[in-house]
Amino acid sequence: DSGVTQTPKHLITATGQRVTLRCSPRSGDLSVYWYQQSLDQGLQFLIQYYNGEERAKGNILERFSAQQFPDLHSELNLSSLELGDSALYFCASSGQGAGEKLFFGSGTQLSVL
Amino acid sequence: GENVEQHPSTLSVQEGDSAVIKCTYSDSASNYFPWYKQELGKGPQLIIDIRSNVGEKKDQRIAVTLNKTAKHFSLHITETQPEDSAVYFCAATGKPGNTPLVFGKGTRLSVIA
Repeated sequence: DSGVTQTPKHLITATGQRVTLRCSPRSGDLSVYWYQQSLDQGLQFLIQYYNGEERAKGNILERFSAQQFPDLHSELNLSSLELGDSALYFCASSGQGAGEKLFFGSGTQLSVL
Repeated sequence: GENVEQHPSTLSVQEGDSAVIKCTYSDSASNYFPWYKQELGKGPQLIIDIRSNVGEKKDQRIAVTLNKTAKHFSLHITETQPEDSAVYFCAATGKPGNTPLVFGKGTRLSVIA
């Protein structure tokens, strides 16, 4: 168990809908990262937060947004969903700024029908 | 930005044989190179990492080597066991703490008993 908690584990929704994925980092970790994993693209970095503030942005679509709350949990919001958004979404946390020894949650499998 | 290439995409070995996975990176400023193992239905788990000031690191049956001049690094698994079957990802970053990890596309390792 990595100590990173993601909910829900599975999410099935329809095109055009909006969903929220939730992540609780390991106790004491200030950085949270979101990655998208699809079959052919591996792990794609979306966005990173450090202690409530956005630290880095990757290939995140404008339809996607995220935030980190004062209790350090994070939410990834996906809107106007398309079939191609179906993927496994991982949250990871780290303790020292960013990038050092990431610990991943077990992911949220999103299926857009 | 950083780009990480990983080969092979699939690898099958007989139990007891060795497995080698290779990665190349593009950014000469990268100095932190972790390897992650992802089992079915789980998030990636860090198994070993190496920094650019070290050429080789070993932990029981796994080892990682780094060639900074050629900008490539490799994962070596000796005496493979069925439980080593998983997807392995290499990654690189230039500033652990400030720059998110860039991952290779993964290698699916199958150990045949």
